[in-house]
Amino acid sequence: GAGVSQSPSNKVTEKGKDVELRCDPISGHTALYWYRQSLGQGLEFLIYFQGNSAPDKSGLPSDRFSAERTGGSVSTLTIQRTQQEDSAVYLCASSFIAGGPGTQYFGPGTRLTVL
Amino acid sequence: GENVEQHPSTLSVQEGDSAVIKCTYSDSASNYFPWYKQELGKRPQLIIDIRSNVGEKKDQRIAVTLNKTAKHFSLHITETQPEDSAVYFCAAGTQGGSEKLVFGKGTKLTVNP
Repeated sequence: GAGVSQSPSNKVTEKGKDVELRCDPISGHTALYWYRQSLGQGLEFLIYFQGNSAPDKSGLPSDRFSAERTGGSVSTLTIQRTQQEDSAVYLCASSFIAGGPGTQYFGPGTRLTVL
Repeated sequence: GENVEQHPSTLSVQEGDSAVIKCTYSDSASNYFPWYKQELGKRPQLIIDIRSNVGEKKDQRIAVTLNKTAKHFSLHITETQPEDSAVYFCAAGTQGGSEKLVFGKGTKLTVNP
């Protein structure tokens, strides 16, 4: 079936503008994750959704970052008042959790450039 | 919280040689340890994983070992090929917790022909 999809694939914005990044997880996957990957760096956890539970927001770097997941499926990551240090690839992943951590399937990412 | 350390950050080997990447974790409750491969410009993809009820798992040229007592796990790639060149990430997760994974910072493996 279809994998995790993200849109847009690239986003260039001006400092101070708000951006919205979208993630469509694999159908039936109960968990959804957002990560940030700066150039040549590792995967920085941002936020995690699991079913109807309250999201784990412990990785969000500031209150300019927020995310929501509607209907247990599509998720949107919003960055308000973007800064140049927000430039990175934002990766979404989803997994099916049944009794333990499941394989995370990653989307292709959104490359965000803040000028 | 969990902390995962990964070494080395870069590794260069000759084609046909073996490559070993090591990770340590801090949370003794962690019981799931996947490895992801990320080729340049592409998304991370799972290549192998191990759960804490086994000490070793092998899939063709790739194997992972786990030492729960020492809280470390390793990725072994034998008979390396140029297409193995990529960044490899280890991660640790916990069943029954938030189910999130904590990733290491990655190892850039270069296999020289």
